[in-house]
Parts: sequence; C-alpha cells; structure tokens
Amino acid sequence: GENVEQHPSTLSVQEGDSAVIKCTYSDSASNYFPWYKQELGKRPQLIIDIRSNVGEKKDQRIAVTLNKTAKHFSLHITETQPEDSAVYFCAPNTGNQFYFGTGTSLTVIP
Amino acid sequence: DAGVTQSPTHLIKTRGQQVTLRCSPKSGHDTVSWYQQALGQGPQFIFQYYEEEERQRGNFPDRFSGHQFPNYSSELNVNALLLGDSALYLCASSGRLTGDEQYFGPGTRLTVT
Repeated sequence: GENVEQHPSTLSVQEGDSAVIKCTYSDSASNYFPWYKQELGKRPQLIIDIRSNVGEKKDQRIAVTLNKTAKHFSLHITETQPEDSAVYFCAPNTGNQFYFGTGTSLTVIP
Repeated sequence: DAGVTQSPTHLIKTRGQQVTLRCSPKSGHDTVSWYQQALGQGPQFIFQYYEEEERQRGNFPDRFSGHQFPNYSSELNVNALLLGDSALYLCASSGRLTGDEQYFGPGTRLTVT
C-alpha cells in the first residue's frame, strides 16, 4: 500500500504568518492529491486538491504545490488566522483508495 | 440538499458484540467509502462500495464487512468487537460528477468496553 508521511506533525505560527505542510508518498500511480482540514470533534473537510497534470493551484489564502518526480506535495497557508487552527491531512489517491497521512496540528497564535 | 449523514452518532458496545453503522450519501453520489479514525490518528481506509459491491478494501480483517443498498446508502458491520475497535467511523461519498472528491459524514463514535 501507499506510504504517506506528513511533516511537521505540529506547527505553531503567529497570526498573519505563513504555514507550510509537506506530504510525501510512495506510489507513483497516485493521481489525485487533496488536503483535508479537521477541526476538533468535526468531520474532515476538503480544502484544496490538485491533480497530477497540474503543478500548483491556489484558492485565496490556500495553495497546493505538487512535485510528482520527487513524490511530494505541499499545503501553503498565507496570512494565517486563528480559525485556521486545526489538524490537516493529506490523502494521495491511488486508484479508489485514499491513504491519509498522520496529520499536522496547526496552531495559530493570536 | 442533505449532505452525508450517519447514524447513530454515538454507540457503546461490549467486547465480543456486533455492531452495525449506517450511512446515507450526499444526493447524487453513488460511491460510499468507510474509514476508521482512532484518536490522534488519520482516517484509515476500510473499504469502498459502488453498485452494491465492494470495490476496494484496505488492510482490515474479515470481521469488518459492509453492504450497499440500491438507494446507495451503506452499512458497516463489525463482528466480535475488540477494545481496539473503539474509534470514530467515518463515511464518505463521491459520485461521477464529483470524481475523486469525497464528502465526509459527521461520523459515529464507537466505544467498546
């Protein structure tokens, strides 16, 4: 199966700073790369995704970059706000299976 | 338009018992996936149902089984419960129009004592 790793596992930033979370995966057949945000006690919510034919995608303060050669993709959050505090999961898709990373706990300090 | 729904929200069972969890997909979705999320961990893929058949399966024992009905709703059954089965069980749906995008339900919190 897919081996998915996320770094860092915890991240604290000052409000207004940027945050970057990296996800590495092992299966070169992966072709869909989403990021999910999960607040405490709530369901995972898709925040941004990218497909293998695109290198970068941006949606307001959130962006995802993909390096298929190196088998990693990253989540970038700019101008962080306290409501960005949550656990973030990457979940590269191989076929119809989603292999979730172990998560990154982001804390935005006001 | 209702999103993905799951029932029950919470459940307490004793070791050795059996449990059934239910999921209704988002309107227009025909594919249902089930995940187990232990405390402090990422969701682990159990299996996926499409056209009433199990299409993919993760690394879970046969004690975990499922079913999909003609209306696309789904059930997850777990037999011979172990303490280690205590977790949040998430259902996610997707469909032809959304492609790979999955929408998660609120989950069922299962506690095995």
